[in-house]
Amino acid sequence: GQSLEQPSEVTAVEGAIVQINCTYQTSGFYGLSWYQQHDGGAPTFLSYNALDGLEETGRFSSFLSRSDSYGYLLLQELQMKDSASYFCAVRSSGTALIFGKGTTLSVSS
Amino acid sequence: DAGVIQSPRHEVTEMGQEVTLRCKPISGHDYLFWYRQTMMRGLELLIYFNNNVPIDDSGMPEDRFSAKMPNASFSTLKIQPSEPRDSAVYFCASSLTTRTSGSEQYFGPGTRLTVT
Repeated sequence: GQSLEQPSEVTAVEGAIVQINCTYQTSGFYGLSWYQQHDGGAPTFLSYNALDGLEETGRFSSFLSRSDSYGYLLLQELQMKDSASYFCAVRSSGTALIFGKGTTLSVSS
Repeated sequence: DAGVIQSPRHEVTEMGQEVTLRCKPISGHDYLFWYRQTMMRGLELLIYFNNNVPIDDSGMPEDRFSAKMPNASFSTLKIQPSEPRDSAVYFCASSLTTRTSGSEQYFGPGTRLTVT
């Protein structure tokens, strides 16, 4: 089968750094994406890694290790507005994405 | 651009009724996806289209579900007859192949469906 594993919940305080891990087992692999979803909202695209290494976009960075079937999303200088669910998603074939169950991040002051 | 547009935003219907969800993708995007999200099952891909042609419908749960894309700017997801277990948020998303091989998907606001 195909599976993506990520922690269900993470808590942190404003200004801190948090890392959300994602491990995957899929029949094929073309890339790892991260999406953010606020309560009652739609998922929004954050990042995409097709090759090993770190991609940085402002306060958010995403890392991929294809040999370890592992990636993570790093959020720096946390703000209250970062409280949301974060999903990793694998493109295993064609253009379809398989989504993980999501990690709920709670940021407190 | 207005983004992906979905209608209705909320739908409450009785078991056995037909439900039609509508989606207008972002102009110029060549992929369109239909997802269903529930607490229990997370975000599931139901079907996706490329240039209006269905590519993979293996996620469609049963024959009660059908989807069409008659042109590049419109798609429908129909459930007939509806059942209480179909209650979920249904998202439509679109993407452009040339950007991150289509992995950068733009989601609509979703349709919250409640079947009583």
